[in-house]
Amino acid sequence: NAGVTQTPKFQVLKTGQSMTLQCAQDMNHNSMYWYRQDPGMGLRLIYYSASEGTTDKGEVPNGYNVSRLNKREFSLRLESAAPSQTSVYFCASRLTGLHNQPQHFGDGTRLSIL
Amino acid sequence: GDSVTQMEGPVTLSEEAFLTINCTYTATGYPSLFWYVQYPGEGLQLLLKATKADDKGSNKGFEATYRKETTSFHLEKGSVQVSDSAVYFCALSLPDSGSARQLTFGSGTQLTVLP
Repeated sequence: NAGVTQTPKFQVLKTGQSMTLQCAQDMNHNSMYWYRQDPGMGLRLIYYSASEGTTDKGEVPNGYNVSRLNKREFSLRLESAAPSQTSVYFCASRLTGLHNQPQHFGDGTRLSIL
Repeated sequence: GDSVTQMEGPVTLSEEAFLTINCTYTATGYPSLFWYVQYPGEGLQLLLKATKADDKGSNKGFEATYRKETTSFHLEKGSVQVSDSAVYFCALSLPDSGSARQLTFGSGTQLTVLP
């Protein structure tokens, strides 16, 4: 009963390094999302993908890229990490097409940029 | 634009106390409303939802009623337990319109329940 799986769970990077955060869901959901969570700011949407082959920017896309590899997988890439990108990153998925289904979240990736 | 405003925390209660976490929203159209809970070290889990005015969502002893006239969706529980200690997020979602970009979150309220 995996749901949404994120890897890695923790990562420490140096400024300027690159990294890809992986996310996979096994619920046959068509929409997938990447959020970052910072203290006092709730969750902010970075990018989302309404379906395989499509991606769109959210509130805070700068410094990130995404790939919707197939229906199951949606990765987030930091090309040149900056300390401001230290955060907890959450992937989520949702079945759209049915009225207001909730989003399902992974357990997060805790990323520190030194 | 759409927004969700939550009661600021942290909130600290004794076990068996009554809980209210306030949530108000601003939205165009007729949103669905959600409460999510985040336990330490975990992702967000759906706690309850309501999809139209006057609906009451309930789960695990928590309740919230969708009040269109006051644009509110306050979370309540009659008797909290230590295991309820978590961060609670209110969120809204507009009806499907072909776009997946819909969920707007409040900033979260940290609840600590003391034995």
